[in-house]
Amino acid sequence: DVKVTQSSRYLVKRTGEKVFLECVQDMDHENMFWYRQDPGLGLRLIYFSYDVKMKEKGDIPEGYSVSREKKERFSLILESASTNQTSMYLCASSFRRVSYNEQFFGPGTRLTVL
Amino acid sequence: AQKITQTQPGMFVQEKEAVTLDCTYDTSDPSYGLFWYKQPSSGEMIFLIYQGSYDQQNATEGRYSLNFQKARKSANLVISASQLGDSAMYFCAMMDTGRRALTFGSGTRLQVQP
Repeated sequence: DVKVTQSSRYLVKRTGEKVFLECVQDMDHENMFWYRQDPGLGLRLIYFSYDVKMKEKGDIPEGYSVSREKKERFSLILESASTNQTSMYLCASSFRRVSYNEQFFGPGTRLTVL
Repeated sequence: AQKITQTQPGMFVQEKEAVTLDCTYDTSDPSYGLFWYKQPSSGEMIFLIYQGSYDQQNATEGRYSLNFQKARKSANLVISASQLGDSAMYFCAMMDTGRRALTFGSGTRLQVQP
């Protein structure tokens, strides 16, 4: 079974802190993604990566950065957390094939910024 | 740009009845994939079903089927014989050749009543 794990289920941080959210997958997937989920808005793409050290901005990259030094690990970084970044963060991964293929999701991290 | 619209914020269905969750999409790309995911209260995203734009037949997976009407740009999810465990948020999503990440709708919360 594909497994995508995230470092924390719940996280509470203070405004201005630097926050790291870690995601690890064990299926040798090339693609990895970070989404943010807010009520009434569905999931929105923050960043994705299709290879080690490669990244592309998604729909809402402002205030976030990412790092992918190893194929299995994709980190989301909030350089200076703000209250409007309080949200559920979901990591996903998939193979990079020609045809469309499903993404496998981690359990999510619910981040609260005070 | 891609867009997914789910117009039903919430739905109720009686146990053992069938229910249809609506999804319309917009893309100018002739090649695309449509997905449905289920998110129980525990938060994980569970892949349910996939339909490719060139697939001749509607996709089915057990009690799930996708009513794909290409000309109307709709991809409704049909759940037959609803069970209490079907109570969850349901998200419609798509990707096309221009974007390898998923674009999600805002979701429909389904509640199955005994």
